[in-house]
Amino acid sequence: DQQVKQNSPSLSVQEGRISILNCDYTNSMFDYFLWYKKYPAEGPTFLISISSIKDKNEDGRFTVFLNKSAKHLSLHIVPSQPGDSAVYFCAASASNNQGGKLIFGQGTELSVKP
Amino acid sequence: DARVTQTPRDKVTEMGQEVTMRCQPILGHNTVFWYRQTMMQGLELLAYFRNRAPLDDSGMPKDRFSAEMPDATLATLKIQPSEPRDSAVYFCASGLVRGDSYNSYNEQFFGPGTRLTVL
Repeated sequence: DQQVKQNSPSLSVQEGRISILNCDYTNSMFDYFLWYKKYPAEGPTFLISISSIKDKNEDGRFTVFLNKSAKHLSLHIVPSQPGDSAVYFCAASASNNQGGKLIFGQGTELSVKP
Repeated sequence: DARVTQTPRDKVTEMGQEVTMRCQPILGHNTVFWYRQTMMQGLELLAYFRNRAPLDDSGMPKDRFSAEMPDATLATLKIQPSEPRDSAVYFCASGLVRGDSYNSYNEQFFGPGTRLTVL
């Protein structure tokens, strides 16, 4: 039972263009969402997050959008750079969970071509 | 430069052998997580500890996996006996979780992982 789903295993984008990575969730108790970035042979690192009280959060070239009614979030990278090539994981959590537990998706591998 | 360390980085073993993976969390962090990365499931949470006490290990196959924190500087994940389907990258992460604070959810710092291959 995959509560957080990233249906696109891979995405290829030209440098300078927009990258859009998508994530769907099924558990309506989730109220905090995060994106992690992972380079080969390294652990994931935190990128950006959003609380369910917002529908958008922006940090430089990275913006996360949340559509609660559709249980969908997306990560926009504008403009995309070759250094953004990595695997991106979407994660979700519920505030009634006291342990800080995150549920991750399968990941989307982004390739930004020069 | 505080970071989570994991040993070994790579482990190749034969089916039936015992495997022990070790993790040193960041000093001062009160929560330690074990994840497994597979192609199909992505990052699966296996178990996690708060102040060295196990909070949830429901993601772990109980018959062969065990996780412990002998002290605040060491977390271990053991597989006995190992099977080929256990082949994956295992990540440890640590964080400072403050109850229900939203700030707690982005404070998971991952180690570089242990790549396990069971032949």
